[in-house]
Amino acid sequence: DAGITQSPRHKVTETGTPVTLRCHQTENHRYMYWYRQDPGHGLRLIHYSYGVKDTDKGEVSDGYSVSRSKTEDFLLTLESATSSQTSVYFCAVGQGNYGYTFGSGTRLTVV
Amino acid sequence: AQSVAQPEDQVNVAEGNPLTVKCTYSVSGNPYLFWYVQYPNRGLQFLLKYITGDNLVKGSYGFEAEFNKSQTSFHLKKPSALVSDSALYFCAVRDGSRGSTLGRLYFGRGTQLTVWP
Repeated sequence: DAGITQSPRHKVTETGTPVTLRCHQTENHRYMYWYRQDPGHGLRLIHYSYGVKDTDKGEVSDGYSVSRSKTEDFLLTLESATSSQTSVYFCAVGQGNYGYTFGSGTRLTVV
Repeated sequence: AQSVAQPEDQVNVAEGNPLTVKCTYSVSGNPYLFWYVQYPNRGLQFLLKYITGDNLVKGSYGFEAEFNKSQTSFHLKKPSALVSDSALYFCAVRDGSRGSTLGRLYFGRGTQLTVWP
């Protein structure tokens, strides 16, 4: 277990408000990822990080930003939440040839 | 470019029967292949992987998968399905060639497996 904690687990927010999701890991993994999961789309990569302050965009990065000021924390921010961003968000850490270990997810509802 | 296809959105089998969940992949270098399972309201859990070696790999909960390079497939199998196997299954691929960046995995859209009693 890579000791991944996502917070909050559930959140309801209003359209237009900023929202920050947190992913915290305890095992000093270099690579971290944010995905969203939606029915019919599977997992789609939002942003990823390969080290402190080193981040890059995935396929669905519009409307999202990330920050990684410490190895253990990878933050995902929805700058101005929209209903299309209602989803389940998963954080993952890369473990080389062992693939990923995932967090338990954050269910976000934008009303 | 890397990609994964899971051609079946749903697979339904009776308990005790064998099950197969299909996966095909496209990768420019050497494929590293993975299967993950997701139970309701949970994160994805690792089931098994193929990196190199025997084409038949065994994983958790009695699952196995067969790597077929000529058909670019990595189908998940189990000889005798259980009701508790009902879940969402994801196949993923990574380019294992030297120089590939970040170890990023590319996921299929998932296959919902339902095992009925």
